[in-house]
Amino acid sequence: SQQGEEDPQALSIQEGENATMNCSYKTSINNLQWYRQNSGRGLVHLILIRSNEREKHSGRLRVTLDTSKKSSSLLITASRAADTASYFCATDENTGFQKLVFGTGTRLLVSP
Amino acid sequence: EAGVAQSPRYKIIEKRQSVAFWCNPISGHATLYWYQQILGQGPKLLIQFQNNGVVDDSQLPKDRFSAERLKGVDSTLKIQPAKLEDSAVYLCASSPLAGPRDTQYFGPGTRLTVL
Repeated sequence: SQQGEEDPQALSIQEGENATMNCSYKTSINNLQWYRQNSGRGLVHLILIRSNEREKHSGRLRVTLDTSKKSSSLLITASRAADTASYFCATDENTGFQKLVFGTGTRLLVSP
Repeated sequence: EAGVAQSPRYKIIEKRQSVAFWCNPISGHATLYWYQQILGQGPKLLIQFQNNGVVDDSQLPKDRFSAERLKGVDSTLKIQPAKLEDSAVYLCASSPLAGPRDTQYFGPGTRLTVL
């Protein structure tokens, strides 16, 4: 089953613009992670935010987490053509072992 | 540090045939995961190993899918017999810790097409 739903499903922007993707989930979590997947490739971990954190930054990435609303957002600032990829949120459910449940993904297209 | 290795990268088979995928995780990683990613969807966990023991296989269709991780290192995932709906990318991932929360490192995947 897929816990997260991402919004929008697809996003098309110009280089230099910011891109915002949202993720909603259903159950309590230990942490939420964002991954990027380039076409035909595996997933690459971008950033992890723990359930007791509200905001985290990594380079051009900014992630927020609202556990009361069970939602997260990923902001990519000053986007580049190389940011074109699918982005997935993944929740680490509150179980004994790490178990990631992935969302449906947002396809981002950044045009030069 | 070498990444997660998977082979083959692509496989085309006919329905009712058998197929096997191989994964070699990052050296020293105790936990290994197999995911199925159908086109347009996020990855879905099929099975999770810690060392050579199964932690979670609740979403593995056990009538046709099997997986093993001998000696707690590399792993194989088998489908026998394959169905059309098994067409997907099969991703292997590993992580160094199973207790404290950590990230997963993914291989490039095997794209399976069942005709």
